[in-house]
Amino acid sequence: KNEVEQSPQNLTAQEGEFITINCSYSVGISALHWLQQHPGGGIVSLFMLSSGKKKHGRLIATINIQEKHSSLHITASHPRDSAVYICAVSGGATNKLIFGTGTLLAVQP
Amino acid sequence: GAGVSQTPSNKVTEKGKYVELRCDPISGHTALYWYRQSLGQGPEFLIYFQGTGAADDSGLPNDRFFAVRPEGSVSTLKIQRTERGDSAVYLCASSLMGPNTEAFFGQGTRLTVV
Repeated sequence: KNEVEQSPQNLTAQEGEFITINCSYSVGISALHWLQQHPGGGIVSLFMLSSGKKKHGRLIATINIQEKHSSLHITASHPRDSAVYICAVSGGATNKLIFGTGTLLAVQP
Repeated sequence: GAGVSQTPSNKVTEKGKYVELRCDPISGHTALYWYRQSLGQGPEFLIYFQGTGAADDSGLPNDRFFAVRPEGSVSTLKIQRTERGDSAVYLCASSLMGPNTEAFFGQGTRLTVV
C-alpha cells in the first residue's frame, strides 16, 4: 500500500463544475502539499498546509490531521485547469516529499 | 530567471553510456532534492543535499547513480552504464532549510535510454 493515496486517478468534468480530489496518507507528516503538473511541464506548488483550510482564487485545500485526509477543491472549473494534480507529504529530518500517483483532470468546454 | 533551472531538458542516450544531468537551484536555497518520475507515476525521492553534503541518498536505486553539489549550489546527477529502465523524467527541487518550507521545482530532464 502506498503511503500517499489519491482518488480518483482520472477525472473528466464539464466546464463550470465543482471538482474534488482526495488524498489520504498513512505516515506522520509536518505538511501536506498540493501540486500541479501540466503535460511536458514542471511541477508548481499550489498549497502547503499543516492544518485547517487554505484558499487561493478558485482553489481550496483542506486537511484533517486526525483522519489523515486532505481534499483539493476547484470551483467553477475551466479547461485551463486541466492538468495532473499531485498530493505529497513532507516531514522528518530531510523534509523530502512523498508523492501520490496524481489525478489527471480534464475539464471539457 | 529566478527559478530552478535544469539542463538539458531532453537527453537521449544509448544503453551503457554515461550521462550527467544538471540542476541550478534558486539562489540561497540550501536544500536541494532530486526526484525521478516514471510515466504515469508520481515522483520518487532519490537524494537530498543540505548545502554541499548528501544528507540522505537512500532513494538512489543502485551504485550506478551518484550526485554531487560541490559548492552548495549547482548539483549534478550522474548515471553510469545507463539502462533502458533508467528512462524517466528527473526532477530537481530546491527550498530553504527547515520544516514546512515550500519546494520549487525545475522543468525536469526527460532521459530516454535507447
